[in-house]
Amino acid sequence: AQSVAQPEDQVNVAEGNPLTVKCTYSVSGNPYLFWYVQYPNRGLQFLLKYITGDNLVKGSYGFEAEFNKSQTSFHLKKPSALVSDSALYFCAVRDGPGGYQKVTFGTGTKLQVIP
Amino acid sequence: EADIYQTPRYLVIGTGKKITLECSQTMGHDKMYWYQQDPGMELHLIHYSYGVNSTEKGDLSSESTVSRIRTEHFPLTLESARPSHTSQYLCASRLGEGQETQYFGPGTRLLVL
Repeated sequence: AQSVAQPEDQVNVAEGNPLTVKCTYSVSGNPYLFWYVQYPNRGLQFLLKYITGDNLVKGSYGFEAEFNKSQTSFHLKKPSALVSDSALYFCAVRDGPGGYQKVTFGTGTKLQVIP
Repeated sequence: EADIYQTPRYLVIGTGKKITLECSQTMGHDKMYWYQQDPGMELHLIHYSYGVNSTEKGDLSSESTVSRIRTEHFPLTLESARPSHTSQYLCASRLGEGQETQYFGPGTRLLVL
């Protein structure tokens, strides 16, 4: 069975500081990993994904994430946080090609960027 | 910008009513999904479809049903709405194998009185 964990319910960071939102996963095969963002009263928006290739993945709005196979992690990062980055962030995982088609989402981490 | 639509966006309805939440996409995607999400909480997969005439139940037990008669259309039906069904319902789709990104609709906020 596949699973994903976001250990922090909320992350607070000052504007201009680097931010990290943590995610760890568990799959039986090779993971497909995703980050989504949800702004208040909006649907989910895709940020970035890791399927294969470089461990450092760059996505929308200046976000990036690093795939670490040994630590089974896929933390979301941004060098300099903006107040407009404040939102709910979801990590998601799928157990590679074939097999189940469904994606498992984490519980979400609320990011609060303080001016 | 993804071409996936959900109607209605907001619905307030009384207990016992039958409701259908509409989801359609114009991207020709094979895979479609319904998620239930309480405000600010995690997503729970309630139904998914691999293609026309294919539907499966998801991780979260749901009293809703779905159908997939056409590729672009994946409606969700509640035969008899109850207050416990109050939630946000998100529809998503993706092209298929090799195209992993799920695109989400704007969601339907349902309130059952």
